Amino acid sequence: AQRVTQPEKLLSVFKGAPVELKCNYSYSGSPELFWYVQYSRQRLQLLLRHISRESIKGFTADLNKGETSFHLKKPFAQEEDSAMYYCALGTNAGKSTFGDGTTLTVKP
Amino acid sequence: EAGVAQSPRYKIIEKRQSVAFWCNPISGHATLYWYQQILGQGPKLLIQFQNNGVVDDSQLPKDRFSAERLKGVDSTLKIQPAKLEDSAVYLCASSSIRDRGPYGYTFGSGTRLTVV
Repeated sequence: AQRVTQPEKLLSVFKGAPVELKCNYSYSGSPELFWYVQYSRQRLQLLLRHISRESIKGFTADLNKGETSFHLKKPFAQEEDSAMYYCALGTNAGKSTFGDGTTLTVKP
Repeated sequence: EAGVAQSPRYKIIEKRQSVAFWCNPISGHATLYWYQQILGQGPKLLIQFQNNGVVDDSQLPKDRFSAERLKGVDSTLKIQPAKLEDSAVYLCASSSIRDRGPYGYTFGSGTRLTVV
């Protein structure tokens, strides 16, 4: 069975501080990990995929198979990063299992 | 490209009534998903379609929920009869199978259902 755990419901940092949103997963197969973001009054949207090894809006995430983690990081948080973030685990069949999300608040 | 369209945006019904939601995916996206998102939780998959066939409906409460995707394009999700615990946001998403390997979803704006 697939499971995604985001241990922090709420995370608050000051502008310019580093931020790390934690994500742990459990899956017996080869994992495909994603981060989705939902800004206030907007729809849920894909932020980044682990296989792309890309940086989007200054965010990066590295898949650590040993620790079964896919934490999302940004060295200097901005106020516009305040949003709800969901980690998701996908399969080759296209199905994704989502964590319960972390609400990030970046204070001025 | 146009996004995933969903309607209605909001719906309030009494328990035991029926309700239907509509989704129009991105043109050319063969895979369509319905997710249920209860307040404070992440989205939970209800059903996955590939073209007009069901791939996964293992978490769909089939005694009250039904979904169809005629002609492999639009989809409707129905609840009959609704219960209080069905209050949630119902999200539709679509993705392309053109790219092999992992891919992300494009979500609609969702339908917020309140059962009173």
